[in-house]
Amino acid sequence: AQSVTQLDSQVPVFEEAPVELRCNYSSSVSVYLFWYVQYPNQGLQLLLKYLSGSTLVESINGFEAEFNKSQTSFHLRKPSVHISDTAEYFCAVVPGGGSEKLVFGKGTKLTVNP
Amino acid sequence: GAGVSQSPSNKVTEKGKDVELRCDPISGHTALYWYRQSLGQGLEFLIYFQGNSAPDKSGLPSDRFSAERTGGSVSTLTIQRTQQEDSAVYLCASSLLGGYYGYTFGSGTRLTVV
Repeated sequence: AQSVTQLDSQVPVFEEAPVELRCNYSSSVSVYLFWYVQYPNQGLQLLLKYLSGSTLVESINGFEAEFNKSQTSFHLRKPSVHISDTAEYFCAVVPGGGSEKLVFGKGTKLTVNP
Repeated sequence: GAGVSQSPSNKVTEKGKDVELRCDPISGHTALYWYRQSLGQGLEFLIYFQGNSAPDKSGLPSDRFSAERTGGSVSTLTIQRTQQEDSAVYLCASSLLGGYYGYTFGSGTRLTVV
């Protein structure tokens, strides 16, 4: 079965520091990869996605993720975080092969401290 | 509408009672999904509707859970004889072309069974 592993449940960092949130998936078929963000007391929002083409995808607020097929990873990075980036981040995959439902990881809570 | 609307936003019910949760997807979105979010458990897939096709019910945890989608639009998730372990945030999402392009989530219904 398709699965998504987010290796860190919590990541505390200081403001303006770089951050990497790790995501690995298991799949024997082509995948479509997503990162969603959930700010405190809000719903989930799509942050970025990889469908095909360039393996590096970017969001409008400075996050980027790189699809690495050989390592089955889709890590999320930001070179300098802000207090406002404090949120829970979920990695998700549509495994392909006819299934259209997203399979989510358990989430990583990013806390940015002053 | 402009977004996915869920009602009620909060529901407190007594153990053993039935509850109905409503989701109004974005107009024109053919795909509709229900997920459950429990603390520390990430997002658990429940059920998926796509157009006029038979729904994918593979994630429903027991026969106390059911869902319907009327006229290809509004969906209702029903939980019969609620148990305390049903307490969670129930999230609805819709998508124009299926999961490959990502979902738009509603803000969820927080269900508390006392």
